[in-house]
Amino acid sequence: QVQLQESGPRLVKPSQTLSLTCTVSGGAISSGGYFWSWIRQPAGKAPEWIGRIYNSGSTSYNPSLEGRVSMSLDTSRNRFSLTIDSVTAADTAVYFCAGAPALTLGEPGLLTAWGQGTLVTVSS
Amino acid sequence: DIVMAQSPDSLAVSLGERATISCKSSQSVFYSSKNKNYLAWYQQKPGQSPKLLIYWASTRESGVPDRFSGSGSGTDFTLTISSLQAEDVAIYYCQQYFGSPFAFGPGTRVEIK
Repeated sequence: QVQLQESGPRLVKPSQTLSLTCTVSGGAISSGGYFWSWIRQPAGKAPEWIGRIYNSGSTSYNPSLEGRVSMSLDTSRNRFSLTIDSVTAADTAVYFCAGAPALTLGEPGLLTAWGQGTLVTVSS
Repeated sequence: DIVMAQSPDSLAVSLGERATISCKSSQSVFYSSKNKNYLAWYQQKPGQSPKLLIYWASTRESGVPDRFSGSGSGTDFTLTISSLQAEDVAIYYCQQYFGSPFAFGPGTRVEIK
């Protein structure tokens, strides 16, 4: 089982760009073993799936965020990243990175490995 | 998009008693060609990330105690904790992974009576 760790700024100003990185250990993100996802969870609410990326670089995003969200891979550092443009207070949440095993379960939405999460606050 | 609903919002159960949580999807998550329901259950304890308990509606993830069971098909699903333990206090979420975006239900909080 892989381990994931989120990192990035905890405070972002409105209208700016939120950028987070997820560092993976215990497996190469380029191996194709996992679909890599970002999920966020506002305080007291349910998780919201943001999107996912595979080792090929193919992506799929939640339409609720499409146009503002982008994901990328950095195979040299074994990490993947999330950016959300033009943030507002509604983007304040705990952000999780997660992995869905591609070679065993084979379903990109089936999230077996999660990071501990990082709280990002959008405020001036 | 598929929308998930859960009931109740919260429940309090005595230690050793049964807890039952319902989950409904706005459309079927049964994939007939694979004969599988694309429905998962997660447990989230305070300050922690969600943990996968059950997938394919009724398959327990490795290491999950057998007091947790899932059932249902199509649009109606149930998570049952057969004998509630203190460590089961958490919020439980159902999630469909039939189609993107992969939506979670609003959650059910389970407490000790």
